[in-house]
Amino acid sequence: EIVLTQSPATLSLSPGERATLSCRASQSVSSYLAWYQQKPGQAPRLLIYDASNRATGIPARFSGSGSGTDFTLTISSLEPEDFAVYYCQQRSNWLFTFGPGTKVDIK
Amino acid sequence: QVTLRESGPALVKPTQTLTLTCTFSGFSLSTSGMCVSWIRQPPGKALEWLALIDWDDDKYYSTSLKTRLTISKDTSKNQVVLTMTNMDPVDTATYYCARSQKTGATDAFDIWGQGTMVTVSS
Repeated sequence: EIVLTQSPATLSLSPGERATLSCRASQSVSSYLAWYQQKPGQAPRLLIYDASNRATGIPARFSGSGSGTDFTLTISSLEPEDFAVYYCQQRSNWLFTFGPGTKVDIK
Repeated sequence: QVTLRESGPALVKPTQTLTLTCTFSGFSLSTSGMCVSWIRQPPGKALEWLALIDWDDDKYYSTSLKTRLTISKDTSKNQVVLTMTNMDPVDTATYYCARSQKTGATDAFDIWGQGTMVTVSS
């Protein structure tokens, strides 16, 4: 089973700053990686799929990159509503796994 | 508009079997490529994928939980049912159902239900 690790565990930033979140896979997942945002008490929301494609309705300040084992989610300029937990997710051989999450909180 | 809604007991006793139902609208599970998964999240912890059923009635399970899980669908009712046997307090979590589409790539979960909290306690 492929294991995803995310870093950092917590990212403390101010509104307007750039956020860079990392997700690393224990073996190559090609570009089969997605990113989700989750706010307290809410279901996750799909942000990015296939490593770099924004989901419907996702603002352009969210971008994804990477392939193989190393992936990055970038939020170019944090808005107040972006403070949340972010998860990466991969699919391999019809098994899905999620990373442990990165919490982006207000500095 | 695509929506999914989970339903089931809020409290189950250890060793009991949990049955959860996902009722959805806005798409059909008889449409080629459509899939529904169950995903759970213990309080304060990360997401864990449990099972997936696709339009062709193929079923996939988490390696660590497959002996306890059964997923099924009723296309006419737009429902997907998950049963989990031998419940334990560590299974206490919010259980989500979510839609995905088989594209041969990430097959990400694009629409989620609001989740249902299940507590396992005697």
